[in-house]
Amino acid sequence: SQQGEEDPQALSIQEGENATMNCSYKTSINNLQWYRQNSGRGLVHLILIRSNEREKHSGRLRVTLDTSKKSSSLLITASRAADTASYFCATLGPNTDKLIFGTGTRLQVFP
Amino acid sequence: NAGVMQNPRHLVRRRGQEARLRCSPMKGHNHVYWYRQLPEEGLKFMVYLQKENIIDESGMPKERFSAEFPKEGPSILRIQQVVRGDSAAYFCASHGLAGKGETQYFGPGTRLLVL
Repeated sequence: SQQGEEDPQALSIQEGENATMNCSYKTSINNLQWYRQNSGRGLVHLILIRSNEREKHSGRLRVTLDTSKKSSSLLITASRAADTASYFCATLGPNTDKLIFGTGTRLQVFP
Repeated sequence: NAGVMQNPRHLVRRRGQEARLRCSPMKGHNHVYWYRQLPEEGLKFMVYLQKENIIDESGMPKERFSAEFPKEGPSILRIQQVVRGDSAAYFCASHGLAGKGETQYFGPGTRLLVL
């Protein structure tokens, strides 16, 4: 299977703490994207990092990419209860337009 | 500018019936993708279509599943003779430019339940 893997599978933290999720993938990529999915809802695009970038920030989100290790991490700082959701990484290969999703991390932020 | 729309949002079918899922991409987008999400799993690519063409159907089951994106109207994912294992959330996504690594915009999904 080409599907990437994320860890941890589930993460529970208190409001105000930071949450770190990791993603590993298997093939070469054009870019890597992170999505959030609230329970029973669609996907919301969070951030895209290209293969020639190493780090990117967007508000409370920080994404890193290590193409030599085929891995990425998503850091959410100062988490809020509203951040409770599943988070998926997805990679886009260099010669394709289809996204390959990871298995997801279920984040629970307690108030 | 409306986002990607899917209908129905929920669909219940009995085994052996047909399921038709519709996706209207964002205005100006001619590239549509269908993904399937089984419970507690990530999304898996099924098919990529442009207007009137299937570009990549490598993720589609060989039997019972078909997809189209006609010149006019929404993209349709059709599942014939549904089985319980078809129960899943089906998402479509769209973007405007192929081959550019563009962000795909997802619809809210159709949740299919096969009884």
